[in-house]
Amino acid sequence: NAGVMQNPRHLVRRRGQEARLRCSPMKGHSHVYWYRQLPEEGLKFMVYLQKENIIDESGMPKERFSAEFPKEGPSILRIQQVVRGDSAAYFCASSPFRGGRWDTEAFFGQGTRLTVV
Amino acid sequence: RKEVEQDPGPFNVPEGATVAFNCTYSNSASQSFFWYRQDCRKEPKLLMSVYSSGNEDGRFTAQLNRASQYISLLIRDSKLSDSATYLCVVNMEGYQKVTFGTGTKLQVIP
Repeated sequence: NAGVMQNPRHLVRRRGQEARLRCSPMKGHSHVYWYRQLPEEGLKFMVYLQKENIIDESGMPKERFSAEFPKEGPSILRIQQVVRGDSAAYFCASSPFRGGRWDTEAFFGQGTRLTVV
Repeated sequence: RKEVEQDPGPFNVPEGATVAFNCTYSNSASQSFFWYRQDCRKEPKLLMSVYSSGNEDGRFTAQLNRASQYISLLIRDSKLSDSATYLCVVNMEGYQKVTFGTGTKLQVIP
């Protein structure tokens, strides 16, 4: 059973371009979380999704950022018109269902490191 | 006040030393507590859960103080391989969004 898969591992974009980050949850997991980690800072919650539904997007910036988790395929975090301040590591975690214990059921992917030049 | 606060460190300790980190949380409704470890440029990995009665796993001991709203992590006989950032994590019962502290950096020196 493969773990949480994120790709690409490293992504370089010029200012103004779009960045698309993908997260394939563990098999059997229907809930996905996205976190952002700026250099020398902690993980900040961005968005929590289940298939075809955004449950909590309270951590998402109001503009340029969007996330989806379609019925088929990976979850996508999309950043439009990237700026230098978007440079960070973006981690995805998945769990099988809502309401369970985080420690036994949520696992992180290896992250995507976005660099905006 | 931040939801979860940690001393960023770094804590520089010699091999074999005992080191302890604290983490305070502001929401008294918090129910579940965890310590994660994050190596440089890697994903966070669960180190241990923190139970009300405290728990121990080898050289690691975690404790919870609900009255003062903090959790602690004690590492005995530090190894070079313990060098990492330790993240304190809390969440509310039944809610799968957890809150991470900014982490405490530990450097074990030969």
